[in-house]
Amino acid sequence: NAGVTQTPKFQVLKTGQSMTLQCAQDMNHEYMSWYRQDPGMGLRLIHYSVGAGITDQGEVPNGYNVSRSTTEDFPLRLLSAAPSQTSVYFCASSTVGRSSGYTFGSGTRLTVV
Amino acid sequence: EDKVVQSPLSLVVHEGDTVTLNCSYEVTNFRSLLWYKQEKKAPTFLFMLTSSGIEKKSGRLSSILDKKELFSILNITATQTGDSAIYLCAVPQPSGTYKYIFGTGTRLKVLA
Repeated sequence: NAGVTQTPKFQVLKTGQSMTLQCAQDMNHEYMSWYRQDPGMGLRLIHYSVGAGITDQGEVPNGYNVSRSTTEDFPLRLLSAAPSQTSVYFCASSTVGRSSGYTFGSGTRLTVV
Repeated sequence: EDKVVQSPLSLVVHEGDTVTLNCSYEVTNFRSLLWYKQEKKAPTFLFMLTSSGIEKKSGRLSSILDKKELFSILNITATQTGDSAIYLCAVPQPSGTYKYIFGTGTRLKVLA
């Protein structure tokens, strides 16, 4: 049981480049989300999904797109990378009624230069 | 505005000390509060608290919720170097059970 798998673990982008952060879970969780973690800011919600085909914006969605074509996968796309998007990104999943909140992936450290 | 505030921001102690971490919240339609431990990578779940005054305990860690005063504390007794981590608390947003508001975390360092 792999849990939540994120790739890549590290990435350096140039300003203006685009890329996709991959997230997959094998626990059949309905709920998936993307957070970014910045020093002094805590974890902030970017986008989330309550099931395949359903996505919605979180607290800081600008510059990011998501899609949820399957229960397992929830990729995060950076459309045109900016230095302000330098951060650590976490994907997380949960299921209805679960009393332990999220299962987090191991994170992607992204640097935009 | 809904918010979660943790204190202190950072803490340095010696092995064997007892520490108390604080999490206060202002969230409408409060349902639960969660504590996570984050070492080098992903946060891992510690406790979920829903009822006031009932202590959750796991080994040297314990946590309690005060719904009247809108806060929770996480206690760690007989600290060890392996307790060094960022401790996060989170509260579900009013608009969604699985949309969490996270505090900024308390960075704990335990010296040998």
